Amino acid sequence: DTAVSQTPKYLVTQMGNDKSIKCEQNLGHDTMYWYKQDSKKFLKIMFSYNNKELIINETVPNRFSPKSPDKAHLNLHINSLELGDSAVYFCASSHRTGWTATNEKLFFGSGTQLSVL
Amino acid sequence: ELKVEQNPLFLSMQEGKNYTIYCNYSTTSDRLYWYRQDPGKSLESLFVLLSNGAVKQEGRLMASLDTKARLSTLHITAAVHDLSATYFCAVSPAGGTSYGKLTFGQGTILTVHP
Repeated sequence: DTAVSQTPKYLVTQMGNDKSIKCEQNLGHDTMYWYKQDSKKFLKIMFSYNNKELIINETVPNRFSPKSPDKAHLNLHINSLELGDSAVYFCASSHRTGWTATNEKLFFGSGTQLSVL
Repeated sequence: ELKVEQNPLFLSMQEGKNYTIYCNYSTTSDRLYWYRQDPGKSLESLFVLLSNGAVKQEGRLMASLDTKARLSTLHITAAVHDLSATYFCAVSPAGGTSYGKLTFGQGTILTVHP
C-alpha cells in the first residue's frame, strides 16, 4: 500500500480554470503538508495542517485553499489558475506530537505535475 | 530567514570514484535531512542528522553534520550508476515549533557514468 498517495499524477488545464489535487496518507500521521517544486527544482512549503487545523501558511496567493476533512486527508484547491502555477505539487505527512523523536521526518507523495496552458 | 545552499549543483562522476556534496545553512537548526529524488518520482528520505558530529552511513553514502560550521556533507564512495539522482539537503528550524517546515537546498543532480 502506498503510504502517501496523491491524485492525479498529471494535471493539464487552461488558465482561469479551477482544479483540485487530493492527498491521502495511511501512516497514522497527524500532520500533513503541501510543498511546491518549481521548474528549477526548488521545493518550498505552502501549507501544513495538524489534526485538521492550519498550522503553517506561507505566503501563498489566496487562490490556493487547502482543505483537510480529517487528519488522513489534505486536499489542495486552486482557483483561477495562472501560468505561474505550473509546477510539481508534493503532499507530505509526519507526526507532530512525536516531532522530537530522533528519526522524525517527512514522508512525501509521488507528486502532481500541474501544467497550466 | 533560513537559507540552505548546496554545492555542487551538478555532479558528473565516473563509476568507482568518490565525491562529496556540501550543504551549508544560515541559522541554527534542529535537524538536517538528506533526501533523494529520482526523475519524476517522490522524495525518499536518506538520513536524519540531529547533533553535532553526527555521522550516518547507508551503503555507499555517508552523511555528517557539523552544527558549529552549519555544514553537512554527503560523501559518495565508489559510485555506481544506481546512485544517479537528485540529492537534496533540508533543514528544520530550531525550536521545534515549525514542525515539518523544511527549507530545502537547490538540489545536486548526480550522474554516474561508466
